Amino acid sequence: GAVVSQHPSRVICKSGTSVKIECRSLDFQATTMFWYRQFPKQSLMLMATSNEGSKATYEQGVEKDKFLINHASLTLSTLTVTSAHPEDSSFYICSAPDFSSSTDTQYFGPGTRLTVL
Amino acid sequence: ELKVEQNPLFLSMQEGKNYTIYCNYSTTSDRLYWYRQDPGKSLESLFVLLSNGAVKQEGRLMASLDTKARLSTLHITAAVHDLSATYFCAVVPLTGNQFYFGTGTSLTVIP
Repeated sequence: GAVVSQHPSRVICKSGTSVKIECRSLDFQATTMFWYRQFPKQSLMLMATSNEGSKATYEQGVEKDKFLINHASLTLSTLTVTSAHPEDSSFYICSAPDFSSSTDTQYFGPGTRLTVL
Repeated sequence: ELKVEQNPLFLSMQEGKNYTIYCNYSTTSDRLYWYRQDPGKSLESLFVLLSNGAVKQEGRLMASLDTKARLSTLHITAAVHDLSATYFCAVVPLTGNQFYFGTGTSLTVIP
């Protein structure tokens, strides 16, 4: 089946630094990818839709200048958390739909756990 | 505002018992997905429901979709400890491709 990878799986950084998270579709092309954030014991909240070759679409309440998204190729989207603060500590998950499948299902990456000290 | 609510949020049940988790949503949709998440892990796809009246079964789990009632159910039959996890439903509105997740149901099966 389709596979989506994320890197890194865990990252610990100091407050004020920027962190880049990569999301790759390994065996299919993804013109669209989604980024989610999940706080402990909570649901996944959609942050933004990453579109290959164009600007990302952000959900209401998500700061586009703080969470920079770049979808430079059909297999790679990156999320950069700029000037990270402790409240940005969370589990970040990306997903990519495989529109070639009959079910338009989403394939989820393994997630990146960000801890900001 | 699109809402996807699950009931119950927490469920503790004994092995061998049956129970149903409910997923209500507030938008028009004909695509609903169920996922399982183990602690510290990402999501595992369980079911894809793409039409009104759709019913899917896998092992001890069965999912159904009623698009008119905007309701999906996940039925657990004769629960076993291995089913302990958090279960999420996710809805895709007719007008987009974004997945909107339910509040989640944390299931604990007690031996």
